[in-house]
Amino acid sequence: QVQLKESGPGLVQPSQTLSLTCTVSGLSLTSNSVSWIRQPPGKGLEWMGVIWSNGGTDYNSAIKSRLSISRDTSKSQVFLKMNSLQTEDTAMYFCARRVGDYWGQGVMVTVSS
Amino acid sequence: DIQMTQSPSLLSASVGDRVTINCKASQNINKYLNWYQQKLGEAPKLLIYNTNNLQTGIPSRFSGSGSGTDYTLTISSLQPEDFGTYFCFQHNSWPTFGSGTKLEIK
Repeated sequence: QVQLKESGPGLVQPSQTLSLTCTVSGLSLTSNSVSWIRQPPGKGLEWMGVIWSNGGTDYNSAIKSRLSISRDTSKSQVFLKMNSLQTEDTAMYFCARRVGDYWGQGVMVTVSS
Repeated sequence: DIQMTQSPSLLSASVGDRVTINCKASQNINKYLNWYQQKLGEAPKLLIYNTNNLQTGIPSRFSGSGSGTDYTLTISSLQPEDFGTYFCFQHNSWPTFGSGTKLEIK
């Protein structure tokens, strides 16, 4: 059974760095690509970036300078780090298989002092 | 990036109605188009993948069609549980989403 589960802090202060973890089960990260997607409250979905099965990464150009995605295949985990957070980064953050068939439940991140 | 133009943004329909939602891509996406339903506070739920393939466990009243740049989700007979927001998603190249259609049940 394929499962993805996001974890991380619910509250981050402005200008700080967000760190999220996506723990994957039922899929091998060396043969599957995993993406991060976010959704601000009441708004649409934004594709943030992907870590490919070969470990390479691609990022949304709008946030590329602030974003880093990595993984630990031994723990079957994918990580997101985004720095210089602002209030507009408040959103539900999801991880999903790149083709969009399996998603985590999401984690709500609020950027506020 | 490929832009996905989804319409309508709001749809109000009655139980039993046939409903269609459209997505138009800014360029050919080679049928790499998924449809999702999302309810408040939940993750998107995959309904249709690669244009016309019904995801396991999804009722057969949902169907998808299209090619090239134009794609359609059809609900053949609307049920009360079908309320929510529907998104299209292309994964032919850098993935992008449609802006969503909020489906209300009259």
